[in-house]
Amino acid sequence: AQSVTQLGSHVSVSEGALVLLRCNYSSSVPPYLFWYVQYPNQGLQLLLKYTTGATLVKGINGFEAEFKKSETSFHLTKPSAHMSDAAEYFCAVRKPNQGGKLIFGQGTELSVKP
Amino acid sequence: DAGVTQSPTHLIKTRGQQVTLRCSPKSGHDTVSWYQQALGQGPQFIFQYYEEEERQRGNFPDRFSGHQFPNYSSELNVNALLLGDSALYLCASSETGGANTGELFFGEGSRLTVL
Repeated sequence: AQSVTQLGSHVSVSEGALVLLRCNYSSSVPPYLFWYVQYPNQGLQLLLKYTTGATLVKGINGFEAEFKKSETSFHLTKPSAHMSDAAEYFCAVRKPNQGGKLIFGQGTELSVKP
Repeated sequence: DAGVTQSPTHLIKTRGQQVTLRCSPKSGHDTVSWYQQALGQGPQFIFQYYEEEERQRGNFPDRFSGHQFPNYSSELNVNALLLGDSALYLCASSETGGANTGELFFGEGSRLTVL
């Protein structure tokens, strides 16, 4: 069975500091990996995804993530945090042949201090 | 271009009642998935509809059922509501069968409170 673990339910950084949100997964087959962001009272928005190819993936709003198969990780980073980055972030995994069935982690709430 | 739209946005029901939630997919999408997001949790997959049939199902009881219409819109029905059904219900649409890109577009959700 697939699963996703997000380390740290709350992360707080200062504006301008590095953002690092951790995600580890387990999967019986090479998975597709995703990061979604959720702002208060809104749905989820895709930040970036890894399917195949280059393991360093760039997404929207300056975020990127690196797929490391040996570590079964897909950590999300951003060099410099903005106040507008404050939100809930979800890592998700799915098998390549299971289109709609994403398995989500518990989420990490990112706070950005001025 | 309208994205995924869901209705109602908020509703309150009592235990034992039934509820129907509605979803219109993004233009050009024909596949709809439903997720339940309890407070403080990540979304959990309920089921996916494509070509008016349930194609995949998560670990939810038969009280949760759905339907997809010829125009690709979808309904989620929950019978015999329990307090634990209180959650944000998210609809997501995608291109045919969820395609290899796996990109789901989510609506803003319907927040259900069961008293």
